[in-house]
Amino acid sequence: QKEVEQNSGPLSVPEGAIASLNCTYSDRVSQSFFWYRQYSGKSPELIMSIYSNGDKEDGRFTAQLNKASQYVSLLIRDSQPSDSATYLCAVNLYNQGGKLIFGQGTELSVKP
Amino acid sequence: NAGVTQTPKFQVLKTGQSMTLQCAQDMNHNSMYWYRQDPGMGLRLIYYSASEGTTDKGEVPNGYNVSRLNKREFSLRLESAAPSQTSVYFCASSEGGLALEQYFGPGTRLTVT
Repeated sequence: QKEVEQNSGPLSVPEGAIASLNCTYSDRVSQSFFWYRQYSGKSPELIMSIYSNGDKEDGRFTAQLNKASQYVSLLIRDSQPSDSATYLCAVNLYNQGGKLIFGQGTELSVKP
Repeated sequence: NAGVTQTPKFQVLKTGQSMTLQCAQDMNHNSMYWYRQDPGMGLRLIYYSASEGTTDKGEVPNGYNVSRLNKREFSLRLESAAPSQTSVYFCASSEGGLALEQYFGPGTRLTVT
């Protein structure tokens, strides 16, 4: 099992729909969870961080964390073509000395 | 406020050549990181510096050295480049510690022939 796992996609949604991106991780003791957006040829851009169970909302983005299930997700409401990018999940893994481990990313395509 | 800056943006090296990638941040962050990103492999940590004066190995340190020159600057050196080091290199910084949000520079695209 990979330490941080994401579906590679591509995930295709129509404009205005909700995009749901999922991430599972291997270490139950992990404390910090991040979502980055990366446009093609650009660097990762931090869009959400979440540290405790439940939902955290920021504009059209909602991060959801369930530590018991070792699962973190990102919902994008009212998806726009400009949201088309690769979304990287990153987890601060306790069993890796606290290092930030990235998933391989999910490619999202929002169709007009 | 430029955030994290990296130079150069692009570089082509021949096998065996050496070079240093430069990174600087103006956010007064304590911790700095070097990652490489390869297709199908994701982002992997090469080295990091939790604070000025300290450096530690990450997941893929072989073939690289680092220097934390001061609080602002963290350089990555390839002593004898190999084709396997062809990659995109990103520098990142965080306020303090691995558990906090990391902010990335624009990257250096390196090709070793």
